Amino acid sequence: DAKTTQPPSMDCAEGRAANLPCNHSTISGNEYVYWYRQIHSQGPQYIIHGLKNNETNEMASLIITEDRKSSTLILPHATLRDTAVYYCIGKAAGNKLTFGGGTRVLVKP
Amino acid sequence: NAGVTQTPKFQVLKTGQSMTLQCAQDMNHNSMYWYRQDPGMGLRLIYYSASEGTTDKGEVPNGYNVSRLNKREFSLRLESAAPSQTSVYFCASLLASEQYFGPGTRLTVT
Repeated sequence: DAKTTQPPSMDCAEGRAANLPCNHSTISGNEYVYWYRQIHSQGPQYIIHGLKNNETNEMASLIITEDRKSSTLILPHATLRDTAVYYCIGKAAGNKLTFGGGTRVLVKP
Repeated sequence: NAGVTQTPKFQVLKTGQSMTLQCAQDMNHNSMYWYRQDPGMGLRLIYYSASEGTTDKGEVPNGYNVSRLNKREFSLRLESAAPSQTSVYFCASLLASEQYFGPGTRLTVT
């Protein structure tokens, strides 16, 4: 599975968009980019995933660069409840999830 | 629909004791997983079961055994607990591309 690199932490103002970057320069053509988040003490929660097209759902948008070497998770209007650790994972279908260190996002009022 | 449930929520063991962590899902998923998460770290895969009747080792299987009792249930057993197994244990099941996680079991081994 692809190695991913994320900043260890970032702050975001409540009500503003949060843009979370992820580098995955070694990602293979059949590997998807997955995003999960883990709110304190809870089990991880699936957010979104994509292969090469941009994706949007009720939680977030995923923007993948054309060369697929990086992506950005966008939380359009961050709330205090979005404070969590966000994990970017590169994985082929059928393979297992491998969690790295993630980005600790703190949404401030 | 309760999703993924885990019991117990908390447990304290003495070194050398044994115990079984229970996990059940009511979503009819084929694949189930056990992870551990140490403080400040990401999740590490212990064992997984792609379908009823099959189990495979993950990244950190030593000191653990698993049983996929049926499609719903996937248990994790510590035969002789060690302080290094102090951790939070998460069970998960998989539907298509999305994993659903349980609330976790917080285990302390003294």
